[in-house]
Amino acid sequence: GAVVSQHPSRVICKSGTSVKIECRSLDFQATTMFWYRQFPKKSLMLMATSNEGSKATYEQGVEKDKFLINHASLTLSTLTVTSAHPEDSSFYICSATTSGSPEQYFGPGTRLTVT
Amino acid sequence: EDKVVQSPLSLVVHEGDTVTLNCSYEVTNFRSLLWYKQEKKAPTFLFMLTSSGIEKKSGRLSSILDKKELFSILNITATQTGDSAIYLCAVSNRGSTLGRLYFGRGTQLTVWP
Repeated sequence: GAVVSQHPSRVICKSGTSVKIECRSLDFQATTMFWYRQFPKKSLMLMATSNEGSKATYEQGVEKDKFLINHASLTLSTLTVTSAHPEDSSFYICSATTSGSPEQYFGPGTRLTVT
Repeated sequence: EDKVVQSPLSLVVHEGDTVTLNCSYEVTNFRSLLWYKQEKKAPTFLFMLTSSGIEKKSGRLSSILDKKELFSILNITATQTGDSAIYLCAVSNRGSTLGRLYFGRGTQLTVWP
């Protein structure tokens, strides 16, 4: 089946620094990648949708200047949390899909802790 | 506003029990409904349902969709401790070419030995 990787799996950073999370589709070309955030015991909250080579579409309430998304190729998307604060601590999950497919393949997630 | 509602939010059973998880939805231009299992990491795909009345099965798990009543159920028979997880229901619609999924809050299933 389709495999999506995320790196790093866990990161701890200090308040005010920036953190980059990578999402890669390993064995297929991902025309679209999604970034989710999940709080403990809560469901996945879609943050943004990105298509290769174009600007990401952000969900209402998500600050695009704080959560920078780049989808430079059909196998890589990055999420950069800029000037991180403790309230940004969360589980960030990416998913990828190919054109026209309703099925999404999820990465293993990245646990971000901001101290 | 599109939404997906799952019930119950949590469920505790003993090994060997059978459980039924529910998912109702209100989504314009419905396309498909997906079930995922989430343990400690990211969700893993279980089923995708697009047609009413056709049961999908995988081992002890099965699921069916009712597009008239706008709901789906996920059944797990002879539960095992390894079934303990959050079960997520998600719906996609035809309006979005980007494949956006609308997730429910999930059902936390705990299976005691």
